[in-house]
Amino acid sequence: KAGVTQTPRYLIKTRGQQVTLSCSPISGHRSVSWYQQTPGQGLQFLFEYFSETQRNKGNFPGRFSGRQFSNSRSEMNVSTLELGDSALYLCASSFRPRSIDTQYFGPGTRLTVL
Amino acid sequence: AQKVTQAQTEISVVEKEDVTLDCVYETRDTTYYLFWYKQPPSGELVFLIRRNSFDEQNEISGRYSWNFQKSTSSFNFTITASQVVDSAVYFCAFPNETGNKLVFGAGTILRVKS
Repeated sequence: KAGVTQTPRYLIKTRGQQVTLSCSPISGHRSVSWYQQTPGQGLQFLFEYFSETQRNKGNFPGRFSGRQFSNSRSEMNVSTLELGDSALYLCASSFRPRSIDTQYFGPGTRLTVL
Repeated sequence: AQKVTQAQTEISVVEKEDVTLDCVYETRDTTYYLFWYKQPPSGELVFLIRRNSFDEQNEISGRYSWNFQKSTSSFNFTITASQVVDSAVYFCAFPNETGNKLVFGAGTILRVKS
């Protein structure tokens, strides 16, 4: 089975721009979660999608949004980028939208905001 | 509140040494799951193990072993005969109170020198 894939792997943007990251889950997995990883804050939960619905959301501003498509692929969008948004964005998929299910992570998208 | 503590920020060992990574958790739940992930320099979080609170048997997988002790709320991870390829950041993770997201510890950086 193919693992979780994320595109692009690297992005460089400037302040004020917006960015869209993509995640394709493992085949058969319908839950997709997004995490932000920074040296200062560690791994922080952004949101989770299941059956095209956002089920949970972390403590992030409204500039961070996402969606899920009928094939379970997910995108996250960050608008009006700030320098502090520079991070590794990790996507994880699981069969069910419950954190007791094992989440399998993709390679991440490293976003640099200049 | 659920909490995961990895007190060891960084550990350096010489190849072939055994090393134990500590993880201490706090919960009021009687049923829960614990996870370990490895993050090599490439950035991808690699799933290592999931344990439920009903099973306190130690688990061994090759050079990896896990010691789960409910009495001390610890879920420690031991690498036997460490290798340079074991160099990575290791995270312990635990579902939050509502079980809708994973809470990660701060991670332990393991450096294995040849």
